[in-house]
Amino acid sequence: DGGITQSPKYLFRKEGQNVTLSCEQNLNHDAMYWYRQDPGQGLRLIYYSQIVNDFQKGDIAEGYSVSREKKESFPLTVTSAQKNPTAFYLCASRTTVAGNTIYFGEGSWLTVV
Amino acid sequence: AQSVSQHNHHVILSEAASLELGCNYSYGGTVNLFWYVQYPGQHLQLLLKYFSGDPLVKGIKGFEAEFIKSKFSFNLRKPSVQWSDTAEYFCAVNALTSSGTYKYIFGTGTRLKVLA
Repeated sequence: DGGITQSPKYLFRKEGQNVTLSCEQNLNHDAMYWYRQDPGQGLRLIYYSQIVNDFQKGDIAEGYSVSREKKESFPLTVTSAQKNPTAFYLCASRTTVAGNTIYFGEGSWLTVV
Repeated sequence: AQSVSQHNHHVILSEAASLELGCNYSYGGTVNLFWYVQYPGQHLQLLLKYFSGDPLVKGIKGFEAEFIKSKFSFNLRKPSVQWSDTAEYFCAVNALTSSGTYKYIFGTGTRLKVLA
């Protein structure tokens, strides 16, 4: 089945630890995105990437890092510098063929204690 | 900076009432506009989208939206809501940045509750 796979679905970490969220897509999409969703704040863009080996900061990139070594993969690392890391994280990708519609993964819940 | 504003954060309606959710964006260039819906416990789904042409676009489940360029608005409408429309609705803008990349920006969402 084609789609976007995020893992893990639920993750607990101790404060001060870095954690990496995985995002893999087999849709052959060029562009990939990471958002965090918090109640009352909608989806806020963390990082995005248009092509392999290139990515741009979104609106709330501080405390996060990404890499795009392969077209199908766009992992997000939540570092200890992120002040409020507990959130729901959504990965998305976009086709340029169908006219810029964005597709979402199922999300990852990160809880930092 | 580009932004998307949804002014209604919570809306409560009775079944069969008409719905209009506001969405305004701030970006002067070419934009693509979207409405997404998130039902309780589910992920985001595309309701409808505007790229060009007729500014009145129709989506799934009887929803429609009108792009008014002069007002930088893309309001979502439905003539008669159902209990099953209870969900959170997000407006989104896909805007071309000065660096040549497309940045997808979402509004803060509107929670709609429809009373049976």
